[in-house]
Amino acid sequence: GAGVSQSPRYKVAKRGQDVALRCDPISGHVSLFWYQQALGQGPEFLTYFQNEAQLDKSGLPSDRFFAERPEGSVSTLKIQRTQQEDSAVYLCASSFGQDEQYFGPGTRLTVT
Amino acid sequence: AQSVTQLDSQVPVFEEAPVELRCNYSSSVSVYLFWYVQYPNQGLQLLLKYLSGSTLVKGINGFEAEFNKSQTSFHLRKPSVHISDTAEYFCAVRRTGTASKLTFGTGTRLQVTL
Repeated sequence: GAGVSQSPRYKVAKRGQDVALRCDPISGHVSLFWYQQALGQGPEFLTYFQNEAQLDKSGLPSDRFFAERPEGSVSTLKIQRTQQEDSAVYLCASSFGQDEQYFGPGTRLTVT
Repeated sequence: AQSVTQLDSQVPVFEEAPVELRCNYSSSVSVYLFWYVQYPNQGLQLLLKYLSGSTLVKGINGFEAEFNKSQTSFHLRKPSVHISDTAEYFCAVRRTGTASKLTFGTGTRLQVTL
């Protein structure tokens, strides 16, 4: 595709609900990253995939956060039992090897 | 581990004036350095990057940055800003040699006015 796409662009969830955020990386990009950007802050790393392998999940804030990339392309970030502190913009980025990371527009999650 | 400090949270400037956005970093390993711009409700767009070679790096939209290893700085500059440069700017680093996560600063809001 032309760029990294993410869906939905906006999501409102009641506290306690589960959500799933989707990322479609640029075709052929091996590496995929998820970042969390709280209001007024810089993005913070959550997790990293190389193809379908999750090589680094050190940034996931709790066991309520889970990410997958089963076929090495599309990735889903799932948050179970959402809490208010999960409200943020979730950014996905992809890259080919060590090349620069290309970012999607993000999903803005609001937990009420 | 790496960390990035952006010393100014907001920088107001008049149109056509020069601007410098400051960035300092700390790392125990070799890093690449980046500047990204974020417009409202959009993702991050790469402005420029330093990987190796000349310490003066030129990027898109007339921006440039200078890598100073002794001062561990990577300040972003533009000689004459436009209203359209109003946005959030993020400095970031990542470890060299492999695909790896970016570590970002907290951002600097550049506000350009007439």
